[in-house]
Amino acid sequence: DSGVTQTPKHLITATGQRVTLRCSPRSGDLSVYWYQQSLDQGLQFLIQYYNGEERAKGNILERFSAQQFPDLHSELNLSSLELGDSALYFCASSVGAASSYEQYFGPGTRLTVT
Amino acid sequence: GQNIDQPTEMTATEGAIVQINCTYQTSGFNGLFWYQQHAGEAPTFLSYNVLDGLEEKGRFSSFLSRSKGYSYLLLKELQMKDSASYLCAVRDDKIIFGKGTRLHILP
Repeated sequence: DSGVTQTPKHLITATGQRVTLRCSPRSGDLSVYWYQQSLDQGLQFLIQYYNGEERAKGNILERFSAQQFPDLHSELNLSSLELGDSALYFCASSVGAASSYEQYFGPGTRLTVT
Repeated sequence: GQNIDQPTEMTATEGAIVQINCTYQTSGFNGLFWYQQHAGEAPTFLSYNVLDGLEEKGRFSSFLSRSKGYSYLLLKELQMKDSASYLCAVRDDKIIFGKGTRLHILP
């Protein structure tokens, strides 16, 4: 158990819908990262927040948005869902913002878009 | 462009040694990570290299050559539980993962 929690564990929804994925980092960690993992693309970095502020941005679509709240939990919002958005979404946390910090991954949310 | 290459699959025998290579081309470099991921589970951190050379951690070692854009993960005394995917990741201003190497261990 990494100490990072994600809810829900599974989510099934229809195309065009909007969903929110939630992540609580390990106690004391200030950085939260979001990743998307699909079979053909591997693990893709989406976005990083550090202490409430956006720190780094990866391959995040405009239909996706995220935020980190004052209590440090984070939410990833996915809208206008398409079949291709079906994937495993991981959240990770680390103590700092810098590149050297080890990231601890949550168990993931499996999103299925039908 | 940004690119990280690893072999897609490898097979080794229990008790043996295996080396998983990773080559990268990125616009910047702030360190290289190796993660282990069992099927259906979250990745777990194995190692971090930012300077050239070998970092040893128990049965696992990781090597980095920044001038060659090359790293390898060395696994010794292989156990069946080492059957997993191994992900190489490089950080410049963001973190980029390779597609992973699926390692199969035969008894």
